[in-house]
Amino acid sequence: QVQLQESGPGLVKPSGTLSLTCAVSGVSISSGTWWSWVRQPPGKGLEWIGEIDQSGRTNYNPSLKSRVTISADKSKNQFSLELTSVTAADTALYYCARENFGINVWGRGTVVTVSS
Amino acid sequence: EIVLTQSPGTLSLSPGERATLSCRASQSVTNNYLAWYQQKAGQAPRLLIYGASSRATGIPDRFSGSGSGTDFTLTISRLEPEDFAVYYCLQYGSRPLTFGGGTKVEIK
Repeated sequence: QVQLQESGPGLVKPSGTLSLTCAVSGVSISSGTWWSWVRQPPGKGLEWIGEIDQSGRTNYNPSLKSRVTISADKSKNQFSLELTSVTAADTALYYCARENFGINVWGRGTVVTVSS
Repeated sequence: EIVLTQSPGTLSLSPGERATLSCRASQSVTNNYLAWYQQKAGQAPRLLIYGASSRATGIPDRFSGSGSGTDFTLTISRLEPEDFAVYYCLQYGSRPLTFGGGTKVEIK
């Protein structure tokens, strides 16, 4: 079955860049769907960050668009998130996910804390 | 951007009772592409309903979704102990995808 696993540093300094990778197993990321990043600040709700499709097309949340880049590496069957100029407000649990009839598969999430 | 407003913020009910959760959109959701999720503490969200009314694989039939356009409802016909959780709606008909703020269903 489809599985997603996030990885990356759990601590990022303010003004730095948050970089996460999502390893996909059970399906090729070239399989014709969108792949997303979603985050959840501690004790708060879910926020969609953006997505990438098999062609490399991307869509981003306008509230983050100036700081976000999502890319994919088909050879490794993974996709990545970069968020620049981070502040404490970017502290959250970050999920990668697959979109199919909504978002139907989620990774377990990885906590990223922004702190000096 | 479509804003989703969920109500109530918290629902206090007893096991066996019926739960009715609302999700209202600021504009019509394209193709009624509205999904519902259940999230328990320390877990990723679980897809319950997609396309406003279709149950996802393995979801018990006590969960049902209804509505169209701007008004959507998730109904849990008889609450089981494992149903006490936070529920979110998501519209995926237009970009950016947007989530509602969530409804917490707690034990009364």
